[in-house]
Amino acid sequence: DIQMTQSPSSLSASVGDRVTITCRASQSINNYLNWYQQKPGKAPNLLIYGASSLQSGVPSRFSGSGSGTDFSLTISSLQPEDFATYFCQQSYSTPWTFGQGTKVEI
Amino acid sequence: QVTLRESGPALVRPTQTLTLTCTFSGFSLTTAKMCVSWIRQPPGKALEWLARIDWDDDKYYSLSLKTRLTISKDTSKNQVVLTLTNMDPVDTATYYCARVRCGSGTYYPLDSWGQGTLVTVSS
Repeated sequence: DIQMTQSPSSLSASVGDRVTITCRASQSINNYLNWYQQKPGKAPNLLIYGASSLQSGVPSRFSGSGSGTDFSLTISSLQPEDFATYFCQQSYSTPWTFGQGTKVEI
Repeated sequence: QVTLRESGPALVRPTQTLTLTCTFSGFSLTTAKMCVSWIRQPPGKALEWLARIDWDDDKYYSLSLKTRLTISKDTSKNQVVLTLTNMDPVDTATYYCARVRCGSGTYYPLDSWGQGTLVTVSS
């Protein structure tokens, strides 16, 4: 299996902050990297696919970058509704795998 | 509008077989490049991908659970069924189904999810 490692596992930030979460794959996955946001008690919600493509309906303050093994998700100006847990996922090869998650707290 | 809904037992005894059904609308698994996956999440833990079934009936499984998992589809009912045999307390989790945009150039994102169903394994 391809291992996905996110960092940090949690972070504290304030409204208006710029936040960056990183995700590293154990081998090259080209651009087959997706990002999801999950709020407590809810299903995950797709934010970014193909490393940098914004899913329809997702605010433009979310952006993704990277290729190969190193990727990042950036929130340009953190909003109150962005406090949640974020997961990366590789879809390069099955079995698909997720990162362990990054909890963004106030 | 794409919707998915998981259904199945909330409580399963150890060694029993879990059968979960994903009923969806807004798309068809007879359409090329449409797929459905199952994912689970133990309480307070990370997401774990379980299985995927494609429009052309190709199937893919988690390597660690492959011997216990079966995924199938009923296109006439717009349903995907997942079975997991020999349930153990460590299988306690919220189980989600999700639509996948499949095929070359799509990057296979899980773009719509069901609300999830919590399955507890306990005697």
